[in-house]
Amino acid sequence: AQKVTQAQTEISVVEKEDVTLDCVYETRDTTYYLFWYKQPPSGELVFLIRRNSFDEQNEISGRYSWNFQKSTSSFNFTITASQVVDSAVYFCALSEALYNFNKFYFGSGTKLNVKP
Amino acid sequence: DTGVSQDPRHKITKRGQNVTFRCDPISEHNRLYWYRQTLGQGPEFLTYFQNEAQLEKSRLLSDRFSAERPKGSFSTLEIQRTEQGDSAMYLCASSLVHQVARTQETQYFGPGTRLLVL
Repeated sequence: AQKVTQAQTEISVVEKEDVTLDCVYETRDTTYYLFWYKQPPSGELVFLIRRNSFDEQNEISGRYSWNFQKSTSSFNFTITASQVVDSAVYFCALSEALYNFNKFYFGSGTKLNVKP
Repeated sequence: DTGVSQDPRHKITKRGQNVTFRCDPISEHNRLYWYRQTLGQGPEFLTYFQNEAQLEKSRLLSDRFSAERPKGSFSTLEIQRTEQGDSAMYLCASSLVHQVARTQETQYFGPGTRLLVL
C-alpha cells in the first residue's frame, strides 16, 4: 500500500498565484515525522520542513506554509505568490520511527511549473 | 560546512559492466542512506548504515548490489553486471542520530549519481 500519496502529478500556475501541493499519508504508528523536499532540475533534494506527529501547529516560513491535519492524514504545502524559481518537483515523505530506524517513504512527487 | 557529495555525477556504462559510486556524507553524521530514484518517481530506500554497520537492506538491493562504509565516513555502492533496469538516479543522504537524546535528525541529500546502462 502506498504510504504517501501525492495525487497531483503536475501543476502549472502563473507567477504570483498561490498554489497548494497535497500530501496524504498512511501509517499505523502514533509517532512519525513528515517532510517536504524540493528537487530542482539539478537533481539535489533540498530539505524544506520537518513536522512530528505530536505537533499539529501549522507553520509559515516566508512564502511557504504547511497545514498538518492528523484527522485527514494530510500534510499540505502552500506557496504564496509563486515565483519562477519555485519551479521544481516537490516530494512529501513519511518516517515512521523516531529513533531506531528512519526509513523515508516518499510520494511520487508533484511537478510545479511556475510561468512568468 | 559542506553538504553531502557524490561522485561521479553521471555514469554511462554498457550492460554487464561493473560500476561503483561514492558518497561523502556531512562530516560527523553517523547515518548514511542510499536511495534509488527512477524517472517520475520518488526516491526508494535501498540501504543504510549506522557508522560502519549496514543495518538494513531493501528487497530492491539484489545480490548484484553491494554497499560499504568501511570507516564510518564515506560509502561506496557497487553494482555488478549492470542491467538496463539499473538505470536510475542513485541518491545518498546522511543524518545525525543523537544516541542519548534518541531523536532523529533530518536526512540531507547529495546531488545524486545518474546512471545510464546501455
